[in-house]
Amino acid sequence: ILNVEQSPQSLHVQEGDSTNFTCSFPSSNFYALHWYRWETAKSPEALFVMTLNGDEKKKGRISATLNTKEGYSYLYIKGSQPEDSATYLCAFRSNYQLIWGAGTKLIIKP
Amino acid sequence: DGGITQSPKYLFRKEGQNVTLSCEQNLNHDAMYWYRQDPGQGLRLIYYSQIVNDFQKGDIAEGYSVSREKKESFPLTVTSAQKNPTAFYLCASSIDDIRRSNQPQHFGDGTRLSIL
Repeated sequence: ILNVEQSPQSLHVQEGDSTNFTCSFPSSNFYALHWYRWETAKSPEALFVMTLNGDEKKKGRISATLNTKEGYSYLYIKGSQPEDSATYLCAFRSNYQLIWGAGTKLIIKP
Repeated sequence: DGGITQSPKYLFRKEGQNVTLSCEQNLNHDAMYWYRQDPGQGLRLIYYSQIVNDFQKGDIAEGYSVSREKKESFPLTVTSAQKNPTAFYLCASSIDDIRRSNQPQHFGDGTRLSIL
């Protein structure tokens, strides 16, 4: 059974601090890794789709790295702001499957 | 604005009742999906459709049914056979089948279903 783990489950960060969290996935049959941001009372929004080992993508203060050989991706947020408060989901695409992690809930403290 | 509209936001089901969750998209996407979210778990795929008049079961299809008569619409019926329907339901769409491509999904705001 393919499993995607996200850690930590939740995270409190002071406004202005930088933070990161992890998505772990199987290292075999890798096709792509997706990151989404899901703010409360809104719909999940795609951040990145990563396909190549060593990929690094950036969107404003948010960036992500990918290591397909060891099966993990990091999401970094630099200088956290209140609007970064959300649940961050990753999804691992294998052959004809898309498997979701349970998410990391990020709360930014003013 | 282009997007996905789910309705209603909240839905209550009585024992033995079927209820239907609506999902409409105006993104001109071929593929549509229904997910269920339970606390502490990742999204689980209920049904998906790659094209009009065609759909396939996902990982947890038992107790659910769908139709895809129009490209824009993919309603989900939660039947009385689904013994534990209380959950948050998300509808999504993508340009093509996300299990075979690297296109991102677009999501609706979700429907929360509870049992009376």
